Amino acid sequence: SYELTQPPSVSVSPGQTASITCSGDKLGDKYACWYQQKPGQSPVVVIYQDSKRPSGIPERFSGSNSGNTATLTISGTQAMDESDYYCQAWDSSTVVFGGGTKLTVL
Amino acid sequence: EVQLLESGGGLVQPGGSLRLSCAASGFTFSSYAMSWVRQAPGKGLEWVSGISGSGGSTYYADSVKGRFTISRDNSKNTLYLQMNSLRAEDTAVYYCAKDPGYCSGGSCYSEAWYFDLWGRGTLVTVSS
Repeated sequence: SYELTQPPSVSVSPGQTASITCSGDKLGDKYACWYQQKPGQSPVVVIYQDSKRPSGIPERFSGSNSGNTATLTISGTQAMDESDYYCQAWDSSTVVFGGGTKLTVL
Repeated sequence: EVQLLESGGGLVQPGGSLRLSCAASGFTFSSYAMSWVRQAPGKGLEWVSGISGSGGSTYYADSVKGRFTISRDNSKNTLYLQMNSLRAEDTAVYYCAKDPGYCSGGSCYSEAWYFDLWGRGTLVTVSS
């Protein structure tokens, strides 16, 4: 079965750029998306189809996908961005999530 | 208001059954694929099952295939998940999630295979 791998945790200082990676076999040949989940809340999509931002998502969120790696980039990270982030792709009629990355802003 | 509201969770013994429901409002329910996604306590997201807008196609994770059945009633704007032979490892918050679909070349499809709207979830606990 298809697998997506994320680092368990990433730390960033306020105002700096955070990058969260998601690795999978030939992931660049598929569409990747990213969800933000804060404690006690439901997930919210922040990037879909590799690099598109839904309305209402700040411009500081961007995405890319090439080769075996998709990347979520948060520019000018703010304290409110501290959350769990999950990548997701679709393979063979199955939705696959990465294990999640806890982003700490300190 | 566009929203999804899950119900039907609770405490069930191993080997037991439960049926979850998800009431949709604020959008044309039959035009969109839907899925169930679960999250065990303190763990990550796990996709469970999906269904096309018409209900004619269904999809399952290997971990629930043969035990869970997804269905929908488009006349009632409601998504269901029938869960049989429940195990302790099925303990989780179960979310229903809407697929936004996409249009291309003059045709529209209910499955884009990501989720733009999530419910608040319903907790299922499998324990004796």
